[in-house]
Amino acid sequence: GAVVSQHPSWVICKSGTSVKIECRSLDFQATTMFWYRQFPKKSLMLMATSNEGSKATYEQGVEKDKFLINHASLTLSTLTVTSAHPEDSSFYICSAKTGMDTEAFFGQGTRLTVV
Amino acid sequence: GQNIDQPTEMTATEGAIVQINCTYQTSGFNGLFWYQQHAGEAPTFLSYNVLDGLEEKGRFSSFLSRSKGYSYLLLKELQMKDSASYLCAVLDSNYQLIWGAGTKLIIKP
Repeated sequence: GAVVSQHPSWVICKSGTSVKIECRSLDFQATTMFWYRQFPKKSLMLMATSNEGSKATYEQGVEKDKFLINHASLTLSTLTVTSAHPEDSSFYICSAKTGMDTEAFFGQGTRLTVV
Repeated sequence: GQNIDQPTEMTATEGAIVQINCTYQTSGFNGLFWYQQHAGEAPTFLSYNVLDGLEEKGRFSSFLSRSKGYSYLLLKELQMKDSASYLCAVLDSNYQLIWGAGTKLIIKP
């Protein structure tokens, strides 16, 4: 299957700083990328959907100024957690699709810990 | 509203068979996916059904009935490594993935 690489796998940052997470589709062009957040023992919570070259569509309740998403190319999307706080600590996962009705391929996930 | 239901947790014995059910009510339907997720890892794709019937892939099979809004994932010859969460997701009319909360499967020796 197609490969989606997410970096970093884990990161620890100080409260108030910003953290950038990258999501790359290595062997296909991802027209759409999704960013999820997952709390322990909970299912995926969709944060936003991004299409290459356009602004991301955020789900209700997700602060777009806090979770900046950029999908500058067909192979790269980034999520920046700005002014991180301990409550932002979570497992963030990206997924990418090539078309409307295809499966989503997931990155490895990033475990963010804000101290 | 859109809703996907699956059991929270199931327990089965190594070597046995287990069936994980998923019922859905969504605005439109463009396919149903099953994913496996081990603790601390991202989900991995297991199956995709868009037509009614059973799709078999090795030890795993997935069934779909669109008229009943129902699917199940069947796991045969269970192995300890099958202990994981199994997520059901439906592609709605806008081609958005609607996720179930996942079923935690516990395999006992």
